[in-house]
Amino acid sequence: QKEVEQNSGPLSVPEGAIASLNCTYSDRGSQSFFWYRQYSGKSPELIMFIYSNGDKEDGRFTAQLNKASQYVSLLIRDSQPSDSATYLCAGGGNQFYFGTGTSLTVIP
Amino acid sequence: ETGVTQTPRHLVMGMTNKKSLKCEQHLGHNAMYWYKQSAKKPLELMFVYNFKEQTENNSVPSRFSPECPNSSHLFLHLHTLQPEDSALYLCASSQGTGVYGYTFGSGTRLTVV
Repeated sequence: QKEVEQNSGPLSVPEGAIASLNCTYSDRGSQSFFWYRQYSGKSPELIMFIYSNGDKEDGRFTAQLNKASQYVSLLIRDSQPSDSATYLCAGGGNQFYFGTGTSLTVIP
Repeated sequence: ETGVTQTPRHLVMGMTNKKSLKCEQHLGHNAMYWYKQSAKKPLELMFVYNFKEQTENNSVPSRFSPECPNSSHLFLHLHTLQPEDSALYLCASSQGTGVYGYTFGSGTRLTVV
């Protein structure tokens, strides 16, 4: 069974803090990893993708990939209330598997 | 219109009805997908079409029937559904299969009564 696992949360951080979201995956053949943000009642929106080991930064977001340990993480710096959403991790090769999502609340 | 458009946004149907969900993408993508999203569960891949050819069918019951007439349009035909089929049905598209991220439509909230 190929799985992607996330802590469902909820995760609460104060405004301006760093939010850290983690994801592990079971399929060692997974090559591509994605983070999606899903606001309540809305569809998922792609915010980051990473293919190589290490860090990838885009604005306030940093994705980290460690293939040896089979985990992916997303750091959100200077968290804002508008970042409050569910974050979905997805990974795979020809087919992607999604985690159940981590609910993040940024407290003003 | 831009992005991925799904209609209808909401659908209530009886177990003996037949209905169809429609998805259209205006991104020039070659792959289209149907996903099912239920509460507390991961997104479940149902069908994948690449260049309008079906490449994945994840053991989906035959009461769900996909149709992809071209790379821009995708349908999900529904008949004799069960209450447990109530969920958010998401259409997505990507440039190709494999390494590309998806663009999701806004979804159809389906309730089977």
